[in-house]
Amino acid sequence: DGGITQSPKYLFRKEGQNVTLSCEQNLNHDAMYWYRQDPGQGLRLIYYSQIVNDFQKGDIAEGYSVSREKKESFPLTVTSAQKNPTAFYLCASTTAGTRVIDEQFFGPGTRLTVL
Amino acid sequence: AQSVTQLGSHVSVSEGALVLLRCNYSSSVPPYLFWYVQYPNQGLQLLLKYTTGATLVKGINGFEAEFKKSETSFHLTKPSAHMSDAAEYFCAVNPGGGSQGNLIFGKGTKLSVKP
Repeated sequence: DGGITQSPKYLFRKEGQNVTLSCEQNLNHDAMYWYRQDPGQGLRLIYYSQIVNDFQKGDIAEGYSVSREKKESFPLTVTSAQKNPTAFYLCASTTAGTRVIDEQFFGPGTRLTVL
Repeated sequence: AQSVTQLGSHVSVSEGALVLLRCNYSSSVPPYLFWYVQYPNQGLQLLLKYTTGATLVKGINGFEAEFKKSETSFHLTKPSAHMSDAAEYFCAVNPGGGSQGNLIFGKGTKLSVKP
C-alpha cells in the first residue's frame, strides 16, 4: 500500500540534544512538508520541498533543519536552538506543479517531548 | 495575505443532531478548499475537497460542504452526528497562483458528540 511513514512515533529529547525525525513516502510525490502542531494552534509550516535537493523555509523554520537527498525521504532535525520543541510533528506530501492542485497526504505523526 | 478562520474552537452536539463546522477564507484568486479530520494522536485524513465545478461537495463518512464564493465560506455539515465523529476538524485553502501544493490551515475545531 502507498503511504507516508514517520518514525519514531514517540521521541524524548534531553535539553541541548539534536534529534532527527524520519519521513518516508512511496506515493511518488514531488513535494513534501513538515508541520508542527500545538494545541489550539492548528498546523504551522516548518519547511517544505518541491523537488529533490531543494527546500524552502516555512513560517517557523528557526531551530529546525531538513534535507532532501532522495525523492522518498524528507528528514527533519530539531536542533538545540529550538527553544520549545515539545510538540506533535506531521509530515505530508503531494503532487507538485503549477497545473496540479491536489490534497496533501499525511503521515501518522511523531510526538516529541523534551525532558 | 491569505487566511483561514474556523469559527469555534470547540463544538458540542448530541448524537443524531446536525453537525455544522464553519470555515471562512480570504483569497485573492479562486481557491482550492479542503476539510481534514484528525483523531487523537494520528495524522490528518482528507474528508472532502473543492477544486472546480459543483459547489456542493460530498465526502467520506456522510460529510458535505458547500463553497459559497459570495460569502467566502466553506462550511462542513453532516445531517446526523455519530459518536465516531468526535475528532478535530481542519479547514485548509490552497490560494492558487504560484503557491502550488502549499496549504494554509485553520486552527481547527474540536467536535464532541454527546450520547
